[in-house]
Amino acid sequence: GENVEQHPSTLSVQEGDSAVIKCTYSDSASNYFPWYKQELGKRPQLIIDIRSNVGEKKDQRIAVTLNKTAKHFSLHITETQPEDSAVYFCAASPDKAAGNKLTFGGGTRVLVKP
Amino acid sequence: NAGVTQTPKFRILKIGQSMTLQCAQDMNHNYMYWYRQDPGMGLKLIYYSVGAGITDKGEVPNGYNVSRSTTEDFPLRLELAAPSQTSVYFCASSPGTGGIWFGSGTQLSVL
Repeated sequence: GENVEQHPSTLSVQEGDSAVIKCTYSDSASNYFPWYKQELGKRPQLIIDIRSNVGEKKDQRIAVTLNKTAKHFSLHITETQPEDSAVYFCAASPDKAAGNKLTFGGGTRVLVKP
Repeated sequence: NAGVTQTPKFRILKIGQSMTLQCAQDMNHNYMYWYRQDPGMGLKLIYYSVGAGITDKGEVPNGYNVSRSTTEDFPLRLELAAPSQTSVYFCASSPGTGGIWFGSGTQLSVL
């Protein structure tokens, strides 16, 4: 089955700096890569996603890049703000095939220091 | 739309007891899932369903059972609760492509 590894496990940045989280996946059949943000005690919420036919996608201060050949994808947060502090999870899925099951990485705890 | 609704929010069980975690969605999604999240860890898939009457095992199914008699409901049954089942349980649903949407979770402690 799919295996997703995520690095780093913790990330501390100064407010206004950029944060980058990297994930690798093992199954070449995966073609959908979402990112979730989970605040303390809350449910994971989808913040951005990318499909394998796209190399990069941006939404305001967040962007995701995908290198399908190398089987890795990354989340970039620019101009970080204190409200960006949370745990971020990457995931991979073969999309509709095999039930659209998401396999999650272990998470990155991001702390933005004011 | 309420989205994905889970009950209860919190529960304490004694070792060996059984319980059912309820999950309902009102988005007419065919796909539903149960994940567990241990403290400080990622999410592990327990069971999933691609439609009413169809269920399949995920990564960590031992000690759990599910049923899917309607599109809306996807209950998770714990038989003979063990301390290793202490976790936060998230139900989720999906239209089949794209992301999945999570419920607010059930925090379960087995003592």
